[in-house]
Amino acid sequence: QQQVKQSPQSLIVQKGGISIINCAYENTAFDYFPWYQQFPGKGPALLIAIRPDVSEKKEGRFTISFNKSAKQFSLHIMDSQPGDSATYFCAPARTGGFKTIFGAGTRLFVKA
Amino acid sequence: GAVVSQHPSWVICKSGTSVKIECRSLDFQATTMFWYRQFPKQSLMLMATSNEGSKATYEQGVEKDKFLINHASLTLSTLTVTSAHPEDSSFYICSAIRRDRLYNEQFFGPGTRLTVL
Repeated sequence: QQQVKQSPQSLIVQKGGISIINCAYENTAFDYFPWYQQFPGKGPALLIAIRPDVSEKKEGRFTISFNKSAKQFSLHIMDSQPGDSATYFCAPARTGGFKTIFGAGTRLFVKA
Repeated sequence: GAVVSQHPSWVICKSGTSVKIECRSLDFQATTMFWYRQFPKQSLMLMATSNEGSKATYEQGVEKDKFLINHASLTLSTLTVTSAHPEDSSFYICSAIRRDRLYNEQFFGPGTRLTVL
């Protein structure tokens, strides 16, 4: 019950467009649903995260949507910019220091 | 706050030598630290989970005698790659969970690029 499926593997979006990345999980014990952003040669950094008591969270151009019944959550990047070009990982986790399983990653390229 | 540092940021070593990588939480105490390795264009693969004062828990397939992890304090964990070989060349990343936070937000270090000749 630790499988995490992330899609798409890669994504090309025009500047100003909307980027959507999805993550499906199996473990119903997960209670923390983050998205991490990683630039080449750097460590990942938390972009946005949601807890299971809400269905949507917005921070600036980034929105995370959570569907508990479907065991899915997604990242929406509005008005995508070239600076958003990076690899995005979902990494659902269980509170208490339990290990995190990362999705395979989505390489986003925003065309200027 | 919540800064994690790694040292060195890159290292080149000869085959058969050992390399130590340090991971420090600079402005918080870490309940748990994780060590990952990442190959080019791939995801992060968890190697081990490290808790202060106890033995690390290694993932299946990770040789504990080759990748020695020591979590000496609430702010420092080290990964030693012993008898390194070219196939150990990779990007090693640590992360830490804050002791004072309820949820598992991980704060990542900048990574260490290891090249074994």
